[in-house]
Amino acid sequence: GAVVSQHPSWVICKSGTSVKIECRSLDFQATTMFWYRQFPKQSLMLMATSNEGSKATYEQGVEKDKFLINHASLTLSTLTVTSAHPEDSSFYICSAGAAGGTDTQYFGPGTRLTVL
Amino acid sequence: DAKTTQPTSMDCAEGRAANLPCNHSTISGNEYVYWYRQIHSQGPQYIIHGLKNNETNEMASLIITEDRKSSTLILPHATLRDTAVYYCIVRVAGGNQGGKLIFGQGTELSVKP
Repeated sequence: GAVVSQHPSWVICKSGTSVKIECRSLDFQATTMFWYRQFPKQSLMLMATSNEGSKATYEQGVEKDKFLINHASLTLSTLTVTSAHPEDSSFYICSAGAAGGTDTQYFGPGTRLTVL
Repeated sequence: DAKTTQPTSMDCAEGRAANLPCNHSTISGNEYVYWYRQIHSQGPQYIIHGLKNNETNEMASLIITEDRKSSTLILPHATLRDTAVYYCIVRVAGGNQGGKLIFGQGTELSVKP
């Protein structure tokens, strides 16, 4: 299957700082990428849809000014958690689908964010 | 909301077949059935998907009922490394019709020696 990477794999930051997470499709081009958040013992929750060259579409209840998404190229999307607080501590996962076809979504390994 | 119903947990003996059921009684004609699994603290892994015909790949088989209201994922010879949460998801595939994956709670499969 296609390979999706995320960087960093884990990050610890102080409250009030901003953190950027990168999601890359390594062997295919992705016009659309998705960002999910997962709290302990819970399922994945879709946060937003990232479209290359246009604004992201956020799910209801997700603050677009707090979770900034940029999809500047067909292989890279970034999620920036601005002014992070302890309640933002979570496992952030991205997925990407190859353009065309049935666009099966492939997931990155996830980024563990801990806000102190 | 997720459009599928799965048992919360299942056990399976190592080396035996694991049969994971999924109900999707409100599935639309243009929706595929996708299966993913998530091993602890990792991103979900794609397993298989299908529309109405049974499908098989190197990982698993997918059996979809004729009315498409339910399906079963079969791991033919389960190993300890197959212990994971398995998610059944219905989704419109292709084009720009959102393509979103909405995750339910999944089935926690425990493969025991």
